[in-house]
Amino acid sequence: NAGVMQNPRHLVRRRGQEARLRCSPMKGHSHVYWYRQLPEEGLKFMVYLQKENIIDESGMPKERFSAEFPKEGPSILRIQQVVRGDSAAYFCASSPRVTRMNTEAFFGQGTRLTVV
Amino acid sequence: TQLLEQSPQFLSIQEGENLTVYCNSSSVFSSLQWYRQEPGEGPVLLVTVVTGGEVKKLKRLTFQFGDARKDSSLHITAAQPGDTGLYLCAGVGEGSGNTGKLIFGQGTTLQVKP
Repeated sequence: NAGVMQNPRHLVRRRGQEARLRCSPMKGHSHVYWYRQLPEEGLKFMVYLQKENIIDESGMPKERFSAEFPKEGPSILRIQQVVRGDSAAYFCASSPRVTRMNTEAFFGQGTRLTVV
Repeated sequence: TQLLEQSPQFLSIQEGENLTVYCNSSSVFSSLQWYRQEPGEGPVLLVTVVTGGEVKKLKRLTFQFGDARKDSSLHITAAQPGDTGLYLCAGVGEGSGNTGKLIFGQGTTLQVKP
């Protein structure tokens, strides 16, 4: 059973370009989370999606960032018109279930975005 | 805003020593997880604790969830160089139980010297 797969592992974009980050959750997992890790900081929640639905996007910047998890295919985190401050490691996590008492998240290896 | 304060941020010890990492908050968490992250990789789940006062052991690692579910600790016995890495605690807030989103501590960077 393959783990959470993210691609690309490394992405370099010039300021103003678009970045597309992909995440394929573990088999059987329908809950996907995106987190961002800035240099020297901890991971910060961005968005939680369940097949075709955005459940919680309270951690997403209001502009330029969007996420989707279509019925078929991977989840996509899209950053439009990237700026240097977007440089970070972006992690996707998936979970088979979400309950009040116990939700275990399994993380991918991350995409390291560098904006030049 | 729920926060998790992790301490210490950095720890450098000799092989064979014991150590404890703390994760504290003023908020109650439904569950708390400990992860280990290697450079250039994603966090790897070590353990989940759910019940106040719960203690779980994973070989030389002992995890404890506080009685009030506001704090947790990770104790490593006889540390080895292979334990070197970044340790992260993360909790699901009581108000976030329906989403499962995690609040992470800042992490503890552990270096074990041979």
